[in-house]
Amino acid sequence: DTGVSQNPRHKITKRGQNVTFRCDPISEHNRLYWYRQTLGQGPEFLTYFQNEAQLEKSRLLSDRFSAERPKGSFSTLEIQRTEQGDSAMYLCASSLLRTPAFFGQGTRLTVV
Amino acid sequence: SQQGEEDPQALSIQEGENATMNCSYKTSINNLQWYRQNSGRGLVHLILIRSNEREKHSGRLRVTLDTSKKSSSLLITASRAADTASYFCATDAGAGGTSYGKLTFGQGTILTVHP
Repeated sequence: DTGVSQNPRHKITKRGQNVTFRCDPISEHNRLYWYRQTLGQGPEFLTYFQNEAQLEKSRLLSDRFSAERPKGSFSTLEIQRTEQGDSAMYLCASSLLRTPAFFGQGTRLTVV
Repeated sequence: SQQGEEDPQALSIQEGENATMNCSYKTSINNLQWYRQNSGRGLVHLILIRSNEREKHSGRLRVTLDTSKKSSSLLITASRAADTASYFCATDAGAGGTSYGKLTFGQGTILTVHP
């Protein structure tokens, strides 16, 4: 499978715990995006990378959120001190410059 | 924040009928894209229309764009049960003719096609 891969697919965590998600983009894609989607809503942009550089972060990305893309390959999204409001689907997408993004199937986070 | 607003929020039709979904947005755009989402396959890109285009076709899909009204429509002809999904419009506001790739999604239209 050469699509965008996200792990884990589901994560249940207790409030206050830290969680980390991983995204493996399509191998030749230099752009990588993170979105968050809550039930009944469209995805909301969180951040994106071009190669290893993080070029933009949404105001939705509080200080508890951090994303990295070492060496411009896979990316991780970490949420520290999770809150119930963090429960959502976290989507990763990748693209080449000026091409549509391909999305992964997402990581569903439930904070209890 | 959500830029696009889709209309209707939900649409229920019989197989073989056409389905039309509308999207309105607020800011200038470089391009507008439509995505489909269902539980089995995640978010799938359907079609992209650039700001200097007015209409685009892809198989059973027809997209129109009216930049003066800041609106777009997606028409699915001869619908099938497999078209049942949520459909989202997404705008790319990249300036200077360059798509930045960052998308602003609408809230989506839930389409149900009955066999």
